[in-house]
Amino acid sequence: AAGVIQSPRHLIKEKRETATLKCYPIPRHDTVYWYQQGPGQDPQFLISFYEKMQSDKGSIPDRFSAQQFSDYHSELNMSSLELGDSALYFCASSSTGIFSGNTIYFGEGSWLTVV
Amino acid sequence: SQQGEEDPQALSIQEGENATMNCSYKTSINNLQWYRQNSGRGLVHLILIRSNEREKHSGRLRVTLDTSKKSSSLLITASRAADTASYFCAYGGAAGNKLTFGGGTRVLVKP
Repeated sequence: AAGVIQSPRHLIKEKRETATLKCYPIPRHDTVYWYQQGPGQDPQFLISFYEKMQSDKGSIPDRFSAQQFSDYHSELNMSSLELGDSALYFCASSSTGIFSGNTIYFGEGSWLTVV
Repeated sequence: SQQGEEDPQALSIQEGENATMNCSYKTSINNLQWYRQNSGRGLVHLILIRSNEREKHSGRLRVTLDTSKKSSSLLITASRAADTASYFCAYGGAAGNKLTFGGGTRVLVKP
């Protein structure tokens, strides 16, 4: 079965640079989520989109922005990178359909290292 | 985690033994989901239990939910070395709502 696809898997950036992460949700899933997981920490919710509209916002820094495109893929843009942004970034998707059960499936994550 | 907690934080057992971990949360929920994460890897969905369910099984996994105590437990029976991972509970509201993660339990299964 198709899973959530994230790219790139690994990314190294310098401080103050910009990074863009991409996510391709499971086909026919209508909701996309972004999470950030620091070393040894729980995943923290950043932002979500339902049918291409932002649906919820968590602890996402103002330096970060995200959007969902017409083909349902999503991108997380991170600017003015700081050392503390080094983390594993997850994209996840779900379907809100009546028979979906609302299981949320996660991708393998994108490792961002800021040096 | 301020949203929820898991205990124990770490668990070391011998292959063949059972592993039990608990999760507590603080809000009303629609469902609770358990995930496994191997070191530095993705979150693998294990099981979802809805707020109107009390127990659910999947293979060697058994999950319980007590909404009156705002707690859930995950039992892995007859553990294997391949079960070594971190296990997270995550809970959410209505369909489409985000999940809030608990603290995670690191499980080491020794062969």
